[in-house]
Amino acid sequence: GAGVSQTPSNKVTEKGKYVELRCDPISGHTALYWYRQSLGQGPEFLIYFQGTGAADDSGLPNDRFFAVRPEGSVSTLKIQRTERGDSAVYLCASSLPPPTGIHQPQHFGDGTRLSIL
Amino acid sequence: GQNIDQPTEMTATEGAIVQINCTYQTSGFNGLFWYQQHAGEAPTFLSYNVLDGLEEKGRFSSFLSRSKGYSYLLLKELQMKDSASYLCAVRDSTGGFKTIFGAGTRLFVKA
Repeated sequence: GAGVSQTPSNKVTEKGKYVELRCDPISGHTALYWYRQSLGQGPEFLIYFQGTGAADDSGLPNDRFFAVRPEGSVSTLKIQRTERGDSAVYLCASSLPPPTGIHQPQHFGDGTRLSIL
Repeated sequence: GQNIDQPTEMTATEGAIVQINCTYQTSGFNGLFWYQQHAGEAPTFLSYNVLDGLEEKGRFSSFLSRSKGYSYLLLKELQMKDSASYLCAVRDSTGGFKTIFGAGTRLFVKA
């Protein structure tokens, strides 16, 4: 069956540019998460969506980062005025909705490797 | 604050047993997960504990003590393919589904 799909798999861009990263979750998974993972570290929580709304965006590092999920399925993570420190693998995950999903694992996509030159 | 601690690296021999420890301090607790991550790949789910005690699943077992803020992952009959990073993650009940990950333990299995 189809898993979590993330595009692009790799993105290289110059400092100061704008980027969009896309996540297509597993069908029926209304919970969607974005994480950032640097080399040798665990995934760092960025934002969690339940349906169309951001239930918790406390992990977004600053106002250059923004995420949307307008129809409750596909989500886009947007980064403005990119900086070299934004270079990382951006992971998306999805899970079943509450209350069932509270005990269910997250299913991760393969990530987008973002490199800011 | 929120903190999850795991050893950075461990080495074990093929066929042996290894225990990877995790201690956590989080503002809330609604379950602890272990994930496996091979280099360059996505994390994949291994186990889940929400009540104290041991959960066994084939060659993998996970233990939880909520009062001590402690968990371990036990891997038996190690195989070379078990060489990977093992991530301990805590679901924070105050945030609903927010999940905090540790930095991971890199396990090297040698012949």
